[in-house]
Amino acid sequence: NAGVTQTPKFQVLKTGQSMTLQCAQDMNHEYMSWYRQDPGMGLRLIHYSVGAGITDQGEVPNGYNVSRSTTEDFPLRLLSAAPSQTSVYFCASSYSHGLGGRETQYFGPGTRLLVL
Amino acid sequence: DAKTTQPTSMDCAEGRAANLPCNHSTISGNEYVYWYRQIHSQGPQYIIHGLKNNETNEMASLIITEDRKSSTLILPHATLRDTAVYYCIVRVERGGADGLTFGKGTHLIIQP
Repeated sequence: NAGVTQTPKFQVLKTGQSMTLQCAQDMNHEYMSWYRQDPGMGLRLIHYSVGAGITDQGEVPNGYNVSRSTTEDFPLRLLSAAPSQTSVYFCASSYSHGLGGRETQYFGPGTRLLVL
Repeated sequence: DAKTTQPTSMDCAEGRAANLPCNHSTISGNEYVYWYRQIHSQGPQYIIHGLKNNETNEMASLIITEDRKSSTLILPHATLRDTAVYYCIVRVERGGADGLTFGKGTHLIIQP
Protein backbone atom coordinates (compact mmCIF):
# COMPACT_ATOMS: atom_id res chain seq x y z
CA ASN A 1 0.00 0.00 0.00
CA ALA A 2 1.15 3.51 -0.77
CA GLY A 3 -0.77 4.79 2.27
CA VAL A 4 -1.69 8.48 2.10
CA THR A 5 -0.18 10.43 -0.77
CA GLN A 6 -0.20 14.18 -1.31
CA THR A 7 0.68 16.33 -4.28
CA PRO A 8 2.38 18.65 -4.83
CA LYS A 9 5.16 18.55 -2.24
CA PHE A 10 5.90 22.26 -2.63
CA GLN A 11 3.96 25.12 -4.15
CA VAL A 12 4.44 28.86 -4.44
CA LEU A 13 1.36 30.96 -5.19
CA LYS A 14 0.68 34.64 -5.66
CA THR A 15 -2.03 36.28 -3.60
CA GLY A 16 -5.41 35.71 -5.21
CA GLN A 17 -4.48 32.60 -7.14
CA SER A 18 -6.42 29.38 -6.61
CA MET A 19 -5.15 25.84 -6.48
CA THR A 20 -6.06 22.33 -5.40
CA LEU A 21 -4.02 20.20 -3.04
CA GLN A 22 -4.48 16.55 -3.84
CA CYS A 23 -4.81 13.76 -1.29
CA ALA A 24 -5.36 10.07 -1.95
CA GLN A 25 -5.36 6.95 0.20
CA ASP A 26 -5.45 3.30 -0.79
CA MET A 27 -6.38 1.81 2.58
CA ASN A 28 -10.16 2.00 2.07
CA HIS A 29 -10.44 4.34 5.07
CA GLU A 30 -13.77 6.02 5.60
CA TYR A 31 -12.45 9.05 7.50
CA MET A 32 -10.25 11.65 5.85
CA SER A 33 -9.19 15.06 7.06
CA TRP A 34 -7.05 18.07 6.26
CA TYR A 35 -4.85 19.85 8.78
CA ARG A 36 -2.54 22.81 8.59
CA GLN A 37 0.55 23.11 10.75
CA ASP A 38 2.12 26.46 11.50
CA PRO A 39 5.18 27.07 13.68
CA GLY A 40 4.17 27.16 17.34
CA MET A 41 0.52 26.46 16.51
CA GLY A 42 0.38 22.70 16.29
CA LEU A 43 -2.07 20.94 14.01
CA ARG A 44 -5.37 22.62 13.21
CA LEU A 45 -8.23 20.81 11.50
CA ILE A 46 -9.51 22.48 8.33
CA HIS A 47 -12.14 20.08 6.95
CA TYR A 48 -12.97 16.43 7.37
CA SER A 49 -15.06 13.72 5.77
CA VAL A 50 -16.68 10.65 7.29
CA GLY A 51 -17.33 9.03 3.92
CA ALA A 52 -17.87 9.63 0.23
CA GLY A 53 -20.28 12.49 -0.32
CA ILE A 54 -20.07 13.73 3.28
CA THR A 55 -17.86 16.60 4.41
CA ASP A 56 -17.86 19.03 7.30
CA GLN A 57 -15.90 21.95 8.67
CA GLY A 58 -13.16 21.75 11.22
CA GLU A 59 -11.58 24.47 13.30
CA VAL A 60 -10.25 26.73 10.52
CA PRO A 61 -12.34 26.20 7.33
CA ASN A 62 -12.45 29.75 5.94
CA GLY A 63 -10.81 30.11 2.55
CA TYR A 64 -10.87 26.37 1.82
CA ASN A 65 -13.31 24.03 0.08
CA VAL A 66 -13.38 20.24 -0.02
CA SER A 67 -15.33 17.51 -1.74
CA ARG A 68 -15.33 13.73 -1.40
CA SER A 69 -16.64 12.04 -4.52
CA THR A 70 -14.78 8.78 -3.91
CA THR A 71 -13.50 6.93 -0.84
CA GLU A 72 -9.92 7.32 -2.07
CA ASP A 73 -9.66 11.04 -2.83
CA PHE A 74 -10.12 14.16 -0.72
CA PRO A 75 -8.87 17.31 -2.50
CA LEU A 76 -8.50 20.64 -0.73
CA ARG A 77 -9.17 23.78 -2.74
CA LEU A 78 -7.80 27.21 -1.94
CA LEU A 79 -10.25 29.63 -3.46
CA SER A 80 -8.18 32.83 -3.42
CA ALA A 81 -4.81 32.35 -1.79
CA ALA A 82 -3.70 34.75 0.94
CA PRO A 83 -0.32 35.07 2.70
CA SER A 84 -2.01 33.85 5.90
CA GLN A 85 -2.47 30.49 4.19
CA THR A 86 1.28 29.96 4.02
CA SER A 87 1.64 26.72 5.93
CA VAL A 88 2.32 23.01 5.77
CA TYR A 89 -0.80 21.04 4.90
CA PHE A 90 -1.29 17.46 5.97
CA CYS A 91 -3.96 15.06 4.83
CA ALA A 92 -4.88 12.14 7.08
CA SER A 93 -7.13 9.11 6.96
CA SER A 94 -8.42 6.69 9.54
CA TYR A 95 -10.59 3.63 9.76
CA SER A 96 -13.81 3.24 11.63
CA HIS A 97 -13.52 -0.29 12.91
CA GLY A 98 -11.67 -1.70 15.84
CA LEU A 99 -11.36 -0.33 19.32
CA GLY A 100 -10.14 3.24 19.20
CA GLY A 101 -9.74 3.01 15.45
CA ARG A 102 -11.13 6.36 14.45
CA GLU A 103 -8.37 8.20 16.27
CA THR A 104 -5.68 6.15 14.56
CA GLN A 105 -4.87 8.59 11.82
CA TYR A 106 -2.40 8.00 9.02
CA PHE A 107 -0.84 11.17 7.69
CA GLY A 108 0.53 12.03 4.30
CA PRO A 109 3.97 13.61 3.78
CA GLY A 110 2.57 17.12 3.57
CA THR A 111 2.41 19.98 1.07
CA ARG A 112 4.47 23.07 1.82
CA LEU A 113 2.69 26.13 0.52
CA LEU A 114 4.09 29.64 0.26
CA VAL A 115 1.75 32.46 -0.69
CA LEU A 116 3.45 35.67 -1.75
CA ASP B 1 -9.79 15.08 26.69
CA ALA B 2 -7.61 14.30 29.66
CA LYS B 3 -4.55 16.48 30.14
CA THR B 4 -1.21 14.80 29.55
CA THR B 5 2.24 15.64 30.89
CA GLN B 6 5.42 14.58 29.13
CA PRO B 7 9.07 15.50 29.66
CA THR B 8 10.25 18.16 27.26
CA SER B 9 13.24 16.19 26.03
CA MET B 10 15.08 12.91 26.51
CA ASP B 11 18.28 11.35 25.26
CA CYS B 12 18.84 7.68 24.54
CA ALA B 13 21.83 5.78 23.20
CA GLU B 14 21.46 4.05 19.88
CA GLY B 15 20.58 0.37 20.32
CA ARG B 16 19.19 0.84 23.79
CA ALA B 17 15.52 0.84 24.76
CA ALA B 18 13.91 4.27 24.82
CA ASN B 19 11.26 4.63 27.51
CA LEU B 20 9.01 7.66 27.12
CA PRO B 21 6.67 8.43 30.04
CA CYS B 22 3.31 10.14 29.96
CA ASN B 23 1.18 11.17 32.93
CA HIS B 24 -2.59 11.35 32.50
CA SER B 25 -3.93 11.31 36.03
CA THR B 26 -7.42 12.59 35.07
CA ILE B 27 -8.06 9.93 32.44
CA SER B 28 -11.61 8.61 32.36
CA GLY B 29 -12.69 5.04 31.81
CA ASN B 30 -13.55 5.38 28.13
CA GLU B 31 -10.48 7.35 27.07
CA TYR B 32 -7.76 5.72 25.02
CA VAL B 33 -4.05 6.47 25.13
CA TYR B 34 -2.56 7.19 21.70
CA TRP B 35 1.05 7.77 20.75
CA TYR B 36 2.19 9.60 17.66
CA ARG B 37 5.55 10.95 16.59
CA GLN B 38 6.69 13.57 14.13
CA ILE B 39 10.10 13.37 12.56
CA HIS B 40 11.39 16.73 11.39
CA SER B 41 9.67 17.95 8.20
CA GLN B 42 7.52 14.84 7.94
CA GLY B 43 3.86 14.13 8.64
CA PRO B 44 2.85 12.82 12.05
CA GLN B 45 3.07 9.06 12.36
CA TYR B 46 0.75 6.87 14.39
CA ILE B 47 2.66 4.49 16.67
CA ILE B 48 0.30 2.62 18.97
CA HIS B 49 -2.76 2.97 21.16
CA GLY B 50 -4.39 1.20 24.09
CA LEU B 51 -7.22 1.34 26.57
CA LYS B 52 -6.34 -0.80 29.58
CA ASN B 53 -4.06 -3.60 28.52
CA ASN B 54 -0.47 -3.37 27.45
CA GLU B 55 -0.06 -3.38 23.70
CA THR B 56 2.77 -4.27 21.35
CA ASN B 57 3.20 -3.85 17.62
CA GLU B 58 6.09 -3.84 15.19
CA MET B 59 7.12 -0.34 16.20
CA ALA B 60 6.76 -0.19 19.96
CA SER B 61 5.20 -1.38 23.19
CA LEU B 62 2.74 0.55 25.32
CA ILE B 63 2.65 -0.09 29.03
CA ILE B 64 -0.37 1.35 30.89
CA THR B 65 -0.36 1.29 34.68
CA GLU B 66 -3.15 -0.58 36.42
CA ASP B 67 -4.78 2.66 37.60
CA ARG B 68 -4.37 4.06 34.04
CA LYS B 69 -2.95 7.32 35.37
CA SER B 70 0.28 6.96 33.45
CA SER B 71 1.79 5.08 30.56
CA THR B 72 5.16 4.40 28.97
CA LEU B 73 6.00 4.06 25.31
CA ILE B 74 8.93 1.71 24.75
CA LEU B 75 11.03 1.67 21.60
CA PRO B 76 12.97 -1.56 22.19
CA HIS B 77 16.07 -0.88 20.10
CA ALA B 78 16.28 2.79 19.29
CA THR B 79 17.97 3.89 16.08
CA LEU B 80 19.03 7.33 14.90
CA ARG B 81 15.88 7.42 12.74
CA ASP B 82 13.78 7.36 15.91
CA THR B 83 14.88 10.91 16.73
CA ALA B 84 11.56 12.79 16.70
CA VAL B 85 8.98 14.54 18.83
CA TYR B 86 6.70 11.99 20.51
CA TYR B 87 3.15 12.91 21.46
CA CYS B 88 0.93 11.21 24.01
CA ILE B 89 -2.78 11.91 23.43
CA VAL B 90 -5.63 10.79 25.64
CA ARG B 91 -9.13 11.02 24.24
CA VAL B 92 -12.44 9.36 23.75
CA GLU B 93 -12.84 7.73 20.38
CA ARG B 94 -15.12 10.04 18.44
CA GLY B 95 -13.51 10.47 15.04
CA GLY B 96 -13.90 13.24 12.51
CA ALA B 97 -15.41 16.20 14.25
CA ASP B 98 -12.54 16.98 16.56
CA GLY B 99 -9.11 16.92 15.04
CA LEU B 100 -6.17 15.50 16.90
CA THR B 101 -4.54 17.98 19.21
CA PHE B 102 -0.84 17.51 19.76
CA GLY B 103 0.65 19.12 22.84
CA LYS B 104 4.34 19.92 23.12
CA GLY B 105 5.43 16.28 23.30
CA THR B 106 8.85 14.86 24.15
CA HIS B 107 11.78 15.55 21.89
CA LEU B 108 13.64 12.24 21.85
CA ILE B 109 17.22 12.44 20.66
CA ILE B 110 18.98 9.19 19.87
CA GLN B 111 22.71 9.53 20.39
CA PRO B 112 25.18 7.50 18.28
